[in-house]
Amino acid sequence: GQNIDQPTEMTATEGAIVQINCTYQTSGFNGLFWYQQHAGEAPTFLSYNVLDGLEEKGRFSSFLSRSKGYSYLLLKELQMKDSASYLCALFSHAGKSTFGDGTTLTVKP
Amino acid sequence: DTGVSQDPRHKITKRGQNVTFRCDPISEHNRLYWYRQTLGQGPEFLTYFQNEAQLEKSRLLSDRFSAERPKGSFSTLEIQRTEQGDSAMYLCASSLARVVDEQFFGPGTRLTVL
Repeated sequence: GQNIDQPTEMTATEGAIVQINCTYQTSGFNGLFWYQQHAGEAPTFLSYNVLDGLEEKGRFSSFLSRSKGYSYLLLKELQMKDSASYLCALFSHAGKSTFGDGTTLTVKP
Repeated sequence: DTGVSQDPRHKITKRGQNVTFRCDPISEHNRLYWYRQTLGQGPEFLTYFQNEAQLEKSRLLSDRFSAERPKGSFSTLEIQRTEQGDSAMYLCASSLARVVDEQFFGPGTRLTVL
């Protein structure tokens, strides 16, 4: 299987930096994705990692370590609109995607 | 609007009735996915198509669920003899089937089974 674990909830302050962790157990996958989902809306793509290391995309960065079964999403200069659920997902070569249950981030002023 | 569209956006039905949902992917996207999502959980994979071929189907899917993509464009998801446990958001996504398969999601169809 591809059990994916994320913290259920996190709280951070506007302007701060927050790191959302994702750990997984799997026999193989093509890439690891991060999606943002606001309440009542569909997920939107944020970032992906295929190789180990850090990928930076504006205020968002994502890191992957395949040997450790670990990824994180880093959000910088937090804004109130960043309050949302953040989903970690594994994409396999067979086309199947497995999502974690998401981390609900609340940004406070 | 060139994004993924789904119809209807909301559906309320009585237990035992059949329902059908439609998804129109981004044009030229050859992969199309169906997911189910309940409150507090991530999207749960149901099935996916590469063009018109259904290549993968979740073992969690009972025989009451069927999906088609007859011409490799739009897709339909049918649920027969609905049960209260089928109440959920049904999400459709499409992608270009690259090595990195970035999926674009539609707004979803919220199903309520009474």
